[in-house]
Amino acid sequence: SQTIHQWPATLVQPVGSPLSLECTVEGTSNPNLYWYRQAAGRGLQLLFYSVGIGQISSEVPQNLSASRPQDRQFILSSKKLLLSDSGFYLCAWSAGQGVGYTFGSGTRLTVV
Amino acid sequence: DQQVKQNSPSLSVQEGRISILNCDYTNSMFDYFLWYKKYPAEGPTFLISISSIKDKNEDGRFTVFLNKSAKHLSLHIVPSQPGDSAVYFCAAKDWRDTDKLIFGTGTRLQVFP
Repeated sequence: SQTIHQWPATLVQPVGSPLSLECTVEGTSNPNLYWYRQAAGRGLQLLFYSVGIGQISSEVPQNLSASRPQDRQFILSSKKLLLSDSGFYLCAWSAGQGVGYTFGSGTRLTVV
Repeated sequence: DQQVKQNSPSLSVQEGRISILNCDYTNSMFDYFLWYKKYPAEGPTFLISISSIKDKNEDGRFTVFLNKSAKHLSLHIVPSQPGDSAVYFCAAKDWRDTDKLIFGTGTRLQVFP
């Protein structure tokens, strides 16, 4: 069966520090991968998605970037965090073709 | 530009009664709709979906209704249980872009005894 792992679960980082969140999927190949953010009082905002290695689509201009160095690995990064980057970050995967997503357990990021 | 809207940020329902969560959309190219349930500090989990060729889909206590002319869908939970207390997200897919789901802002449902 397919599983998705996301870590860390919680993170407190100072403003201006770098960020790296990692997500990996097991039990499937060539998944579509997604990074979402749930900010306080807001819905799930799509940040990045990838349909293959090295293929990244950005949905919202921001202080973040994403990379997919391996088929089942998706990384969310920032060189310098802002206070506004605080939120709950979710990784998800899908088999594509309109099938629903499976989400990871999320990372609560607090920038102080 | 919020293409999927959940205008009620919260809903409180007594146990055993019906919970109705609403969702409106603006994009007429959406052809598939989903509901996700999310507990605090966890990722959303899939609940139920409906294709645009249908107007109703039922799964146990959960039923989703789709009114395409009104661009409106709703999730009915009958009977509501305390374990249903969570945030519910409506999501939609554009048939031209099968790789992405567009989510609403969520409705927090509280079921009290």
